[in-house]
Amino acid sequence: RKEVEQDPGPFNVPEGATVAFNCTYSNSASQSFFWYRQDCRKEPKLLMSVYSSGNEDGRFTAQLNRASQYISLLIRDSKLSDSATYLCVVILDRGSTLGRLYFGRGTQLTVWP
Amino acid sequence: DVKVTQSSRYLVKRTGEKVFLECVQDMDHENMFWYRQDPGLGLRLIYFSYDVKMKEKGDIPEGYSVSREKKERFSLILESASTNQTSMYLCASSFFNPETQYFGPGTRLLVL
Repeated sequence: RKEVEQDPGPFNVPEGATVAFNCTYSNSASQSFFWYRQDCRKEPKLLMSVYSSGNEDGRFTAQLNRASQYISLLIRDSKLSDSATYLCVVILDRGSTLGRLYFGRGTQLTVWP
Repeated sequence: DVKVTQSSRYLVKRTGEKVFLECVQDMDHENMFWYRQDPGLGLRLIYFSYDVKMKEKGDIPEGYSVSREKKERFSLILESASTNQTSMYLCASSFFNPETQYFGPGTRLLVL
C-alpha cells in the first residue's frame, strides 16, 4: 500500500472555477504535510505547507484532517497559470526516516479559457 | 536562492553501457536524493544520502548504485543500462530536518 494516495485526475476546469483535490495518507505517525506543484516537463516545487488548523495563501487553501488522515487543497478563482500537476507530500517521523518525503502520484489540473 | 544542478538535461545511451548522472547542490544540505519519475507511477525514490559516504536504499534501488564523496555532490550510477531504465531522473537536496526538498531540473535518459 502506498504511503500517499491521490486521485490522478485529470481535472479540467474553466477559468474562475473553484477546484479541490484530496489526498490520503496511510501512516498515522505522519508529522508534516505539503503540497508541491510540478509544471509540465519541469521539476516539482513547494507550493505550500499544510498546518493542522488549515492555512491560506492567496487563492489556495490547504487543510488537514488527522482523524481521517487526509489532506486537501482548494484553489479558488482558477487561472490558466494554475495548470500543473499537484503532488501531495508527507513526512513521517523525521528522526527515523532521515528527512525522507513521501510523494503522491500527483493530480493533473488543466484550466481552460 | 537554492540551486541544484544536474549534469545533463538529456542523455541517450545504449543497453549495457555504464551511465553516470551527477547532481550538485550549493546550499550545504546534508540530505540528497535520487528519484525517477514515470507517467502514472509518480516519483519513486531510488537512493538517498544523509551524509558524505553514507547511503540508504529507497524503494527501487535495483540496477542502481550511488556515490557521495563530497557533501555537495551525489552521483547515480547505472552499472549496465537497460531499456526499462529509460526515465526522467530527478535529484533533490534538503537540510537534515527538512521542511522541503529542492529539486534539480531533471535528466531525461533514453536507453536504446
